Amino acid sequence: GQQLNQSPQSMFIQEGEDVSMNCTSSSIFNTWLWYKQEPGEGPVLLIALYKAGELTSNGRLTAQFGITRKDSFLNISASIPSDVGIYFCAGQLGLRSARQLTFGSGTQLTVLP
Amino acid sequence: GAVVSQHPSRVICKSGTSVKIECRSLDFQATTMFWYRQFPKQSLMLMATSNEGSKATYEQGVEKDKFLINHASLTLSTLTVTSAHPEDSSFYICSARGTSGVETQYFGPGTRLLVL
Repeated sequence: GQQLNQSPQSMFIQEGEDVSMNCTSSSIFNTWLWYKQEPGEGPVLLIALYKAGELTSNGRLTAQFGITRKDSFLNISASIPSDVGIYFCAGQLGLRSARQLTFGSGTQLTVLP
Repeated sequence: GAVVSQHPSRVICKSGTSVKIECRSLDFQATTMFWYRQFPKQSLMLMATSNEGSKATYEQGVEKDKFLINHASLTLSTLTVTSAHPEDSSFYICSARGTSGVETQYFGPGTRLLVL
């Protein structure tokens, strides 16, 4: 089946720094999604990408759908303490018969004051 | 954004008992709901796909007789863990996709199950 490689696995940064994480896949996806999960909570959708090459922003977050449709990155600018959490990428084929998400392994972000 | 709720948020039960977890889409109709399981410090693992009015599709290795799924309406899916054992202890999360054709899934807050 499809596999998503997400990196880095964890990051420790100073408040105010920018953050970048990415996902690569051995398969093509038609949709890329980025979620944030805090302890004891379900994932919350941050950004959804539907077209190859698409660059989308949501406040301090920016994500891009790679041209090859096999990768995506998420950038967080000027990090703040509430950015702490686990960030997951997820790819979706988009076929009507299989609209399942394949998740990356997650990036644990810690923001130091 | 779309709201998905889960109940209960956490449950402790004795080994051998059954536990039912509800997943509801509060402000949209969901033709498809998904059930995931997440172990500590790991990613989400899809257990099954639940379609309203039809049988759920289970992922390889997931016992359909142990994890009973019912999607009786466009706003409610239930997961019943039957004859629970300690190894079933985990964080169970549902997600729902609406009928509008948008490809995104919205997740519930999760249910923490502890089997003693």
